[in-house]
Amino acid sequence: AQSVTQPDIHITVSEGASLELRCNYSYGATPYLFWYVQSPGQGLQLLLKYFSGDTLVQGIKGFEAEFKRSQSSFNLRKPSVHWSDAAEYFCAVGEGGGNKLTFGTGTQLKVEL
Amino acid sequence: GAGVSQSPSNKVTEKGKDVELRCDPISGHTALYWYRQSLGQGLEFLIYFQGNSAPDKSGLPSDRFSAERTGESVSTLTIQRTQQEDSAVYLCASSLDGGRKETQYFGPGTRLLVL
Repeated sequence: AQSVTQPDIHITVSEGASLELRCNYSYGATPYLFWYVQSPGQGLQLLLKYFSGDTLVQGIKGFEAEFKRSQSSFNLRKPSVHWSDAAEYFCAVGEGGGNKLTFGTGTQLKVEL
Repeated sequence: GAGVSQSPSNKVTEKGKDVELRCDPISGHTALYWYRQSLGQGLEFLIYFQGNSAPDKSGLPSDRFSAERTGESVSTLTIQRTQQEDSAVYLCASSLDGGRKETQYFGPGTRLLVL
């Protein structure tokens, strides 16, 4: 069965610092990978997605992610974090017909001013 | 345009009661999903509808859970004889056609509390 691991439950960074959120997946074939963000009281919003081609994908809000097949990773990065980025971030892999999403447990990001 | 909407936003019920949660997908989206977000289990898939095909119910945790969808519009998730472990946020999502490259757009969720 496929799975997604987000090793960091909580991360705290200072505003303006760079950010990297880790995601590792387990999937037999070419994975379809997604990063979502959930702000307090809000639904999930897609940041970016990868399914083929260029291994570095750009998303909204200045986020990017790099797919590394050899490491089974899809880490999310941002060069300079803003206070409004404080939220919970979920990595997910899509499965089969209908693209049902299997999510990681999430990483809660806190931004210190 | 309008996004995915869910109602009610919050629902408090007593153990043993039945509850119905509603989802209105984005107009034109043929694929509709239900997920559950709970402290113990994280975010988990429940059920998927695509057009007139038989739904994929593989994520439903027990036979107390069921869902219906009328055509390509509204869906209702029903939980019978609710238990305290059913307390969670129930999220609905829709996508254009369920394709693997399609984005799933999520609603704000219904927060269910079973006392």
